[in-house]
This record gives sequence, structure tokens and C-alpha cells, in this order.
Amino acid sequence: DTGVSQNPRHKITKRGQNVTFRCDPISEHNRLYWYRQTLGQGPEFLTYFQNEAQLEKSRLLSDRFSAERPKGSFSTLEIQRTEQGDSAMYLCASSRIQGTNYYEQYFGPGTRLTVT
Amino acid sequence: AQRVTQPEKLLSVFKGAPVELKCNYSYSGSPELFWYVQYSRQRLQLLLRHISRESIKGFTADLNKGETSFHLKKPFAQEEDSAMYYCALRRSSASKIIFGSGTRLSIRP
Repeated sequence: DTGVSQNPRHKITKRGQNVTFRCDPISEHNRLYWYRQTLGQGPEFLTYFQNEAQLEKSRLLSDRFSAERPKGSFSTLEIQRTEQGDSAMYLCASSRIQGTNYYEQYFGPGTRLTVT
Repeated sequence: AQRVTQPEKLLSVFKGAPVELKCNYSYSGSPELFWYVQYSRQRLQLLLRHISRESIKGFTADLNKGETSFHLKKPFAQEEDSAMYYCALRRSSASKIIFGSGTRLSIRP
């Protein structure tokens, strides 16, 4: 499967614990996005990278959240001191950008986080 | 602020009947509009973009700037169309996508 992959697919954690998710984009896609989706809502943008540079962060991304894409390939999203309100599906997407040409964002299967 | 509104949480129609999923947006510039679909147990995927002006799986959507709408239509629904549909917007100069809350389409046999 050459699509976007995310690990783990499910994570159950206790409030106050730290969690880290990984996203592997489609090879050669230079843009990588993180979204969060809660029940009954559409995905909400969190942050995105172009290569290793983090270009935009949503106000939704509190200081407990940090994302990295150290070598411009895979990315990690860490949540520190998890709260019950962090329970959601975390989606990763990747796309290719060349100049001003926009290409489709391809989504991964998501990581479902449950904070107890 | 940019916003995408899908007024229907659930739309249920009979097989063979016409389908229209409503989408309204608020944005002062010239956005790109999309429809994404998520079938059961599958990942979110792009269905169509307004700039492509193409029909995908029998679905079409026309951007109406006067009414700020981008409704998704299909003349004859099929059972395999049952899925969650999200209308989405991208600002012309940005990369992030803003999604609506989604409409679950259920096609009855």
C-alpha cells in the first residue's frame, strides 16, 4: 500500500499521560497536514509542513501539542498531559506542491485517541 | 472568518431518486470548493473540485458565488452512494482545507 499510513490506529491513554502519533506520507509528497476530527464534526486543521518546515499552526493547537517533521519525510504529533477533550480522530494528509500548482490532499486512515 | 455549512446531518432517499446535498460557505475572496466522501471503513477521499467541472460517479456540483453555495447533486441515487459527505473550502492563497460538519447520505433500496 503506497498511501498515507498512520500509527498507531488506536490509542487509549489515561488523562495526564503523553502520547505520540506517527504519519508516513506518500513518497515524494512535500506537504504534510494534521487534522483533528471529533464526533459529528468534519476534520479541523491543526498544522502543516512543507518539507521539514512547519508553516502554519491553528489556534486549536495548544502548547501541549507539538508536531515535527525532522527530515521532511514522516511526521510525529505529540500531545503532552492529555485531557479528555483531546479524545478524537487525528488525521494526517499529504500532497505535492509545485510552484503555485495545488495537488490533491490524500488522507491516512487516522489514529483514534481515547483519553480516560 | 471562513466557514462551511452543511445544514443536513442526515439525508435519506430511495434508490433511483435524485440527491442534493446542500453546502453554503462564507468567504470574501475566491475560494476553491471541494466535496470529500468517506465510505464505511474507508479513509476520506476527494470526490470532486469545483475548478475541475467534471462529473464523478454521476455527481456534479456547481459553484454559485451569488448564493455562496456549492450543492452536490446526482440525478439517480445508487445504494453504493451511501456514505458521509463533506463539503470543504480552501482559500486561494492558503493550503489548509476547512471542512463542513458533514452529511450522512443513506440510500434505501
